[in-house]
Amino acid sequence: DTGVSQNPRHKITKRGQNVTFRCDPISEHNRLYWYRQTLGQGPEFLTYFQNEAQLEKSRLLSDRFSAERPKGSFSTLEIQRTEQGDSAMYLCASSVGRHFQETQYFGPGTRLLVL
Amino acid sequence: AQSVTQLGSHVSVSEGALVLLRCNYSSSVPPYLFWYVQYPNQGLQLLLKYTSAATLVKGINGFEAEFKKSETSFHLTKPSAHMSDAAEYFCAVSVETSGSRLTFGEGTQLTVNP
Repeated sequence: DTGVSQNPRHKITKRGQNVTFRCDPISEHNRLYWYRQTLGQGPEFLTYFQNEAQLEKSRLLSDRFSAERPKGSFSTLEIQRTEQGDSAMYLCASSVGRHFQETQYFGPGTRLLVL
Repeated sequence: AQSVTQLGSHVSVSEGALVLLRCNYSSSVPPYLFWYVQYPNQGLQLLLKYTSAATLVKGINGFEAEFKKSETSFHLTKPSAHMSDAAEYFCAVSVETSGSRLTFGEGTQLTVNP
């Protein structure tokens, strides 16, 4: 396995701009997760896909956020009209196996700074 | 809803000393519990997990944790700290009634002094 990859690793944008992040999960992993981590905090769940279906969304995922996983492979997370409060590390994880007990494998994250 | 509390946002130990990182959970249904480690500018790596089999769980890098239902705890220990153990550690919980999400604690930053 090559591991979960995320691009870009860093993104600086101005308030009001749109940004898109990409996550490539470990091949054969059917589940994919997005989390957000702010400084000094643990990751917070945003959304979850099983194959191409988005099955769960957190209340943290406002209508400015949208995530897709076309064809059940890579996933994108888009933030529209960014705000300074969106500045955080966005982590992607993938998994396979017995539900709720499986190990989620995390990518290195995309660090977003909104000026 | 389930939650996790990590007591002590910063823990400092001497190299060779015992490492003890505390985690208490709250859940109305049987939990699955995880410890992850995060090195600077990296993602999270699983150390170990409890999935209702053995209550004493051994993980990578010499770490282990014991699930104690009566104390709602899942503390992480290592008998002898190494400089390379310096990192941030997160305890997390998953339960079958709240989907697949992991709910994380706020983390404990471990410093190892020479």
